[in-house]
This record gives sequence, C-alpha cells and structure tokens, in this order.
Amino acid sequence: DTGVSQDPRHKITKRGQNVTFRCDPISEHNRLYWYRQTLGQGPEFLTYFQNEAQLEKSRLLSDRFSAERPKGSFSTLEIQRTEQGDSAMYLCASSHPGQGADTQYFGPGTRLTVL
Amino acid sequence: DQQVKQNSPSLSVQEGRISILNCDYTNSMFDYFLWYKKYPAEGPTFLISISSIKDKNEDGRFTVFLNKSAKHLSLHIVPSQPGDSAVYFCAASLGSSNTGKLIFGQGTTLQVKP
Repeated sequence: DTGVSQDPRHKITKRGQNVTFRCDPISEHNRLYWYRQTLGQGPEFLTYFQNEAQLEKSRLLSDRFSAERPKGSFSTLEIQRTEQGDSAMYLCASSHPGQGADTQYFGPGTRLTVL
Repeated sequence: DQQVKQNSPSLSVQEGRISILNCDYTNSMFDYFLWYKKYPAEGPTFLISISSIKDKNEDGRFTVFLNKSAKHLSLHIVPSQPGDSAVYFCAASLGSSNTGKLIFGQGTTLQVKP
C-alpha cells in the first residue's frame, strides 16, 4: 500500500533561497491539494489540482509560490526568495471523488524552517 | 473569519471513559464533514466522516454526530485508549462538486490518561 508521500521531510534554508517540495499522491487519485500548517493552527488550503490542471489558488499563495502537476501524477511546490514567515509544515493530500465521498488522504508533510 | 471552530484547545479523559470533541461551523453550505487525528511531526490521518444528509455515522469506537440546525458536530470516542492521545481536527467541505478543499478548525489536543 503506497499512501501519499512527500519529499523531503525536513528542509532548513536561509532567507532568500529557493526551495522545492515534491508530493506523490495515491495512485489514480485525480485530485491533489497543498495545505500549510503553522503551530497551533489547523491546515490552511493553498492550492488544488484536478489531474494536471490547477483549478484554485488561495490568496495565501503569493507570487513567490508556484505549484505544478505536469502529468497529473506527482506535484511540486516551489517557494522563491523564502522569508522567515514561510516556516511551516507543508502538507499534500490526494483524493478521488469517483470512489464516493471526497475524502482527502494526507502525506507526512515537509517541515520548512527558514533561518 | 473562522468558518470552522474548535473552541476547546485541550481535553483530558481517563482511559475507558468517553471522549467528546466538539466543532462548530458557520457556513450552511458545507455538505461534508471529516475528523482527522494528528500526531506530532506527521500528517493528519483520516478518522471518520459524515455527509450533511445524515446525522450520525459510526465506525468502531468512533461516532460522529451532526446537528445541522445548530451547525455543530461532535466526535465521540468510546472507550478512550491512551493511544488516542493526539490532536484532533474537524474539517468541512463544500463537497466534491466544488473543489473539495477542506476548511479546518484549530484542533483539540486529547490526552487519555491510563
């Protein structure tokens, strides 16, 4: 059984550097989501893909953030010119509404620390 | 504007007793609700869900109740076990016909004492 996987699990970077995270969803899940979670808060929606199409972006996703899902399988989230406020847990989730109710399954997350 | 609220940051329960976690929402258009459990340094794990057309869903020790008129849902865990100690998040969705994005509450930390 391969659930949602994310890489890397931890990333420490200096302010101003670019970082890229990868998410591999559950096979055949056509929907993929990115969320961000900070300490003491619930996850907050960032963006959503249906297959390879990015269909919604949160206003939290500034122009320094970009996400892709080039072949409708894995996805990448890139943050350019990182800021200390970008420090958070970045979570990826996938779902397949065709299997019934749209339950999202989460990966283990990537913990980003910006120094 | 917090559309989903968990007003109790923490809850402590004795092993074997019932744990009741509460969640309130403001958007009457939400039609699907979920509970997730989260351990430190891990992603949320799906526990149980309920559609807005139902008022109760049960899965083993976990039962979710939905009161649409009060815009309130609760998760009951019976009997509680020490391994249930974690942060619990409720989440709401406008449904798969929309984007399906989840709106989460702030979480409740459950501690089950042996």
